[in-house]
Amino acid sequence: AAGVIQSPRHLIKEKRETATLKCYPIPRHDTVYWYQQGPGQDPQFLISFYEKMQSDKGSIPDRFSAQQFSDYHSELNMSSLELGDSALYFCASSLPRPSGRTDTQYFGPGTRLTVL
Amino acid sequence: AQSVTQLDSHVSVSEGTPVLLRCNYSSSYSPSLFWYVQHPNKGLQLLLKYTSAATLVKGINGFEAEFKKSETSFHLTKPSAHMSDAAEYFCVVSDGAGGYNKLIFGAGTRLAVHP
Repeated sequence: AAGVIQSPRHLIKEKRETATLKCYPIPRHDTVYWYQQGPGQDPQFLISFYEKMQSDKGSIPDRFSAQQFSDYHSELNMSSLELGDSALYFCASSLPRPSGRTDTQYFGPGTRLTVL
Repeated sequence: AQSVTQLDSHVSVSEGTPVLLRCNYSSSYSPSLFWYVQHPNKGLQLLLKYTSAATLVKGINGFEAEFKKSETSFHLTKPSAHMSDAAEYFCVVSDGAGGYNKLIFGAGTRLAVHP
């Protein structure tokens, strides 16, 4: 079965550089979530999109922005990178069920960002 | 606000013995609860989920969890541990009653399995 695809899998950047992470959801999934997992930490929610509109926002720095495109893929743009941005960034997708229970979020393999 | 507390940061068992990973939740309404597993340097894999159907939920790889409202618990169990079960396990609650809610993760329990 198709899974969530994230690219790149690994990314090394210098401080103050920019980075773009991409996420391709499972086919027919139109809801995308981004999470950040620091070293030894649990994943923290950053932002989500439903039908190309932002649906929720968590602890995402102002230096970060994201969007969802017409084909439902999403990109997380990170500017003025700091050492503390080094983390594993996960994308997850799900089918929305606005009138019912939260549907299962399926996670991609993650992008490991290292900021030097 | 929804939250989960994983009561043990590390659990160590011998291969072939039972596994118990404890999780308590806090929610103002009937929650959706999940267990995810993360193997070293890998992504997050769903083990099982509870969404108000049967209180005993069976997942993959022989894991199961029981939702106990009176105890606000959702403990993960497996009758017999295998070496391949060594990983980080996250108890997760969905934040909200709608259809597209962020997940709130517990701090994780690292399971070690010894020969």
